[in-house]
Amino acid sequence: QVQLQESGPGLVKPSQTLSLTCTVSGGSLSSGGYYWSWIRQPAGKGLEWIGRIYTSGSTNYNPSLKSPVIISVDTSKNQFSLKLSSVTAADTAVYYCARASTLRYVDWYMDVWGKGTTVTVSS
Amino acid sequence: QSVLTQPPSVSGAPGQRVTISCTGSSSNIGAGYDVHWYQQLAGTAPKLLIYGNSNRPSGVPDRFSGSKSGTSASLAITGLQAEDEADYYCQSYDSSLSGWVFGGGTKLTVL
Repeated sequence: QVQLQESGPGLVKPSQTLSLTCTVSGGSLSSGGYYWSWIRQPAGKGLEWIGRIYTSGSTNYNPSLKSPVIISVDTSKNQFSLKLSSVTAADTAVYYCARASTLRYVDWYMDVWGKGTTVTVSS
Repeated sequence: QSVLTQPPSVSGAPGQRVTISCTGSSSNIGAGYDVHWYQQLAGTAPKLLIYGNSNRPSGVPDRFSGSKSGTSASLAITGLQAEDEADYYCQSYDSSLSGWVFGGGTKLTVL
């Protein structure tokens, strides 16, 4: 059974880069057929999709995000990562990584989630 | 302001039936993209509840059901139980944004 675990600093200073890693266990990132995604949730608020990466390395990001985003994958470590640059207090949130599956390669849904990690942006 | 609109809260007594709506537009639900639903219990990660408008993953009780029509979708919960008290989110794809979108979430209170 595939499991995901987020890791990274819990505190980031404003204007710096937020870096998180999601480690996949119980399955291989390179097996194909899935998107690997990041979602965040500010305290007391709803879910916000950040971006996704396919096994091939193809990426898509939420155009509404104010901070530049890069998602990358390291198949040798079975990990994928998130980098959010020039962060502000508005980027303070619980960050989740998730696997997305599909019925027909058109619509995708997040069927496996990590437990989430809290990141606070503060000086 | 979320692309998909959900009521902020709904409530019901144990045993009752409640529905949660998710309203979109012609660039997401109305364009034919599937709607998926997630349940988030307090202090935990979201969990997939319904995928592809009306499919339940293994382990999800058949008290939960989903439907879609036009630019909207609905999640219905019958035989309400105390353990159903949670936040519920709908999710779809939006062609204008070229990405996934979530509803703002609905807090279900079991009275």
